[in-house]
Amino acid sequence: GAVVSQHPSRVICKSGTSVKIECRSLDFQATTMFWYRQFPKQSLMLMATSNEGSKATYEQGVEKDKFLINHASLTLSTLTVTSAHPEDSSFYICSARKVLPDGELFFGEGSRLTVL
Amino acid sequence: AQSVTQLGSHVSVSEGALVLLRCNYSSSVPPYLFWYVQYPNQGLQLLLKYTTGATLVKGINGFEAEFKKSETSFHLTKPSAHMSDAAEYFCAVSDFPGGGADGLTFGKGTHLIIQP
Repeated sequence: GAVVSQHPSRVICKSGTSVKIECRSLDFQATTMFWYRQFPKQSLMLMATSNEGSKATYEQGVEKDKFLINHASLTLSTLTVTSAHPEDSSFYICSARKVLPDGELFFGEGSRLTVL
Repeated sequence: AQSVTQLGSHVSVSEGALVLLRCNYSSSVPPYLFWYVQYPNQGLQLLLKYTTGATLVKGINGFEAEFKKSETSFHLTKPSAHMSDAAEYFCAVSDFPGGGADGLTFGKGTHLIIQP
């Protein structure tokens, strides 16, 4: 199967700082990637759809100025949590859509953000 | 709009016993249905998916699921549980075969516990 890699897997930062999480499709090109947020013992909530070469589409209730998404190439999307606060602490998971044969989504390993 | 309901946030079975995880969906269009497994602090791995054709779908690790349109269900089963099956399981629905031009809609998840 295809491989999607996220980095870092764990990050701890101080309140007020910004954190960048990378999502890479290692062996395929992904024009579309998705960012999810997962709270402890809960399901995945779609935050935004990242489209290569264009602006991300955010789900209702997600602050686009807080969660900056950049999809600058066909294999890389980044999520930057700006001015992070403790309530932003969560598990962030990306997925990348492999167009052929059927548009299957492949998920990264997730990134656990802890804001002190 | 689509939605997924997973009955039982926790399911406990004995090693060697039948595993049954329930999933019901709601969709205004023919659904594409997925089961994912998530191990602690990891991303999601696709177990199986229903797109078209045979309603009984076989996946990895001995799991299978049956699409029942009349019951709007897609329950996941495994004849004999193994300790390594302990994990979180998510049912998901999409209106796109691979998982969505707009991502997947996930259920809340079921935590599977295997008793020795």
